[in-house]
Amino acid sequence: ILNVEQSPQSLHVQEGDSTNFTCSFPSSNFYALHWYRWETAKSPEALFVMTLNGDEKKKGRISATLNTKEGYSYLYIKGSQPEDSATYLCALHAGGTSYGKLTFGQGTILTVHP
Amino acid sequence: DTEVTQTPKHLVMGMTNKKSLKCEQHMGHRAMYWYKQKAKKPPELMFVYSYEKLSINESVPSRFSPECPNSSLLNLHLHALQPEDSALYLCASSRKTESRTDTQYFGPGTRLTVL
Repeated sequence: ILNVEQSPQSLHVQEGDSTNFTCSFPSSNFYALHWYRWETAKSPEALFVMTLNGDEKKKGRISATLNTKEGYSYLYIKGSQPEDSATYLCALHAGGTSYGKLTFGQGTILTVHP
Repeated sequence: DTEVTQTPKHLVMGMTNKKSLKCEQHMGHRAMYWYKQKAKKPPELMFVYSYEKLSINESVPSRFSPECPNSSLLNLHLHALQPEDSALYLCASSRKTESRTDTQYFGPGTRLTVL
């Protein structure tokens, strides 16, 4: 059973703050890490797919880094806005598992206060 | 268009009922997925269809019966469910399954309550 952990479980920040949270995963058999943003009552939205150690991806004010040797990925949000409030999920695609099988972490719930 | 649609949004059913969940995508994707999410838990994979054939069944009880009648449509037939099956059921699709990097696009889910 793959263990994908996210921390913190929840986070409250003020508008304009920058924030970051962590996704930890077993470094053996790593193949790809997916990040999603999930707003209440909407579909999970894909943010990034990361595969290479040291990779950094950016989408607007959101960026992510990947360390496959130590088994973690960070997601950063610069200058948080209330519309960034959502649950942020990471999902691991391990190399030894069937194609298409994602194992999700429990998510970090971000609330940005105006 | 990266939309995956699911119907119904909400479903309440008794333990003796038979109902179906429907999922549709028109992105030309050849892989489709069913996930189950219980409250405060991460989504868990149930089934994967690849080119309209079932490729992964994560030991799901037979009271859940998936069906992929064509490349755009995925159904989940429900029969004799238990109250503990109450959950959010998410559908997703991706270009193909022979890739660990293809993005899975999700629908908004069907909230199922079993009485």
